Amino acid sequence: QVQLVQSGAEVKKPGASVKVSCKAFGHTFTSYYIHWVRQAPGQGLEWMGIIDPSGGTTNYAQKFQGRVTMARDTSTNTVYMEMRSLRSEDTAVYYCARGGIRGISMNWFDPWGQGTLVTVSS
Amino acid sequence: EIVMTQSPATLSVSPGDRATLSCRASQSVTNNFAWYQHKPGQAPRLLIYDSSTRATGIPARFSGSGSGTEFTLTISSLQSEDFAVYFCQQYNNWPLTFGGGTKVEIK
Repeated sequence: QVQLVQSGAEVKKPGASVKVSCKAFGHTFTSYYIHWVRQAPGQGLEWMGIIDPSGGTTNYAQKFQGRVTMARDTSTNTVYMEMRSLRSEDTAVYYCARGGIRGISMNWFDPWGQGTLVTVSS
Repeated sequence: EIVMTQSPATLSVSPGDRATLSCRASQSVTNNFAWYQHKPGQAPRLLIYDSSTRATGIPARFSGSGSGTEFTLTISSLQSEDFAVYFCQQYNNWPLTFGGGTKVEIK
């Protein structure tokens, strides 16, 4: 069964960094892109970026360039999303999701991780 | 960026009734379009991809149609487990974008 399992909730102070993990089960890790999406309270879904677990290549939404880094560890089938200089507006549920097979970077998402709540508060 | 606009924001439906949800793209996304179901505290679930193809395990009461800029999700006979938020997504252009969601609630 294909599954993405994310790390637990985090509480951070403004200016801090957070690193969320997403561990993949049930498929060949290096064969599918992984995306990150967030949903702030009362808001819609916002695409953050994509990583190719095979080579580690990334593509970030312009809004997050310079503040977000996505990385992968092929030995543990895990993808990471780190966000720096956190502010209150970054309070959201962060999701990882499996995208298309390598070569098809624009694709639907299936499955999604269970989500990680990141709360930024002083 | 392509803006996805869903309507209505909330849809009140009785169990057993038909529900029709709409999503409009600000420019053509051809048929590179998906629908998802999202329940509180759960991971979103893929329902429909490529505008009209049901994902694995999705009941036949869910159907999708449309192309270009106008898309529709129809739930033919609402079951209790279908009350949730539904959102659309285009994957034709970067950045990938989502609609704001339609909440389907019990009437």
